[in-house]
Amino acid sequence: AQKITQTQPGMFVQEKEAVTLDCTYDTSDPSYGLFWYKQPSSGEMIFLIYQGSYDQQNATEGRYSLNFQKARKSANLVISASQLGDSAMYFCAMRRPSGGYNKLIFGAGTRLAVHP
Amino acid sequence: DTGVSQDPRHKITKRGQNVTFRCDPISEHNRLYWYRQTLGQGPEFLTYFQNEAQLEKSRLLSDRFSAERPKGSFSTLEIQRTEQGDSAMYLCASSLDSPKGSMNTEAFFGQGTRLTVV
Repeated sequence: AQKITQTQPGMFVQEKEAVTLDCTYDTSDPSYGLFWYKQPSSGEMIFLIYQGSYDQQNATEGRYSLNFQKARKSANLVISASQLGDSAMYFCAMRRPSGGYNKLIFGAGTRLAVHP
Repeated sequence: DTGVSQDPRHKITKRGQNVTFRCDPISEHNRLYWYRQTLGQGPEFLTYFQNEAQLEKSRLLSDRFSAERPKGSFSTLEIQRTEQGDSAMYLCASSLDSPKGSMNTEAFFGQGTRLTVV
């Protein structure tokens, strides 16, 4: 089955430190896209970063970077210089063509708490 | 247009009642998705519209659930004869069309409707 696994239910980090949130995925499609979303307590899913399966370089967006290891099927999110406002749920998700181009498959999420 | 909006934000209903949720996507987006998110889990896909056509439905969408997007703009999700197991956050998302083979079209989510069935 195509799935996303996030093994860390919760993570703690000190403000200004870096943190890595783990994500592994399972698909037999050669072409797929990987996404990270942030969900604060307000409920809205906020897009953070995207990595395509054929992208040669790891994606970066400001303080967010994606550590993409294709052979290991992992797509870990790295948040540098954590801020108090980073405290939220973080979801890894995948889109692949064999399931239709359309839907995202999400992992169970990791709750990040940033401490001052 | 400030993003995807959903109404209501919260709904408490008695078991057996019908409920209807509304989603207004970003105006130029022709793709619209509904997801359901239960406590402690990630969102699960329910259904997808391309303009007014409902092109995909999850097996999670039982006969009690129906979704419409009559004019290709806003969408409604109705749950008939609600059950306690329907209690969840219902998220709507929209996106632009993506070129065939492209995986990177970003979906924009609303803040969701939290349903509690008592």
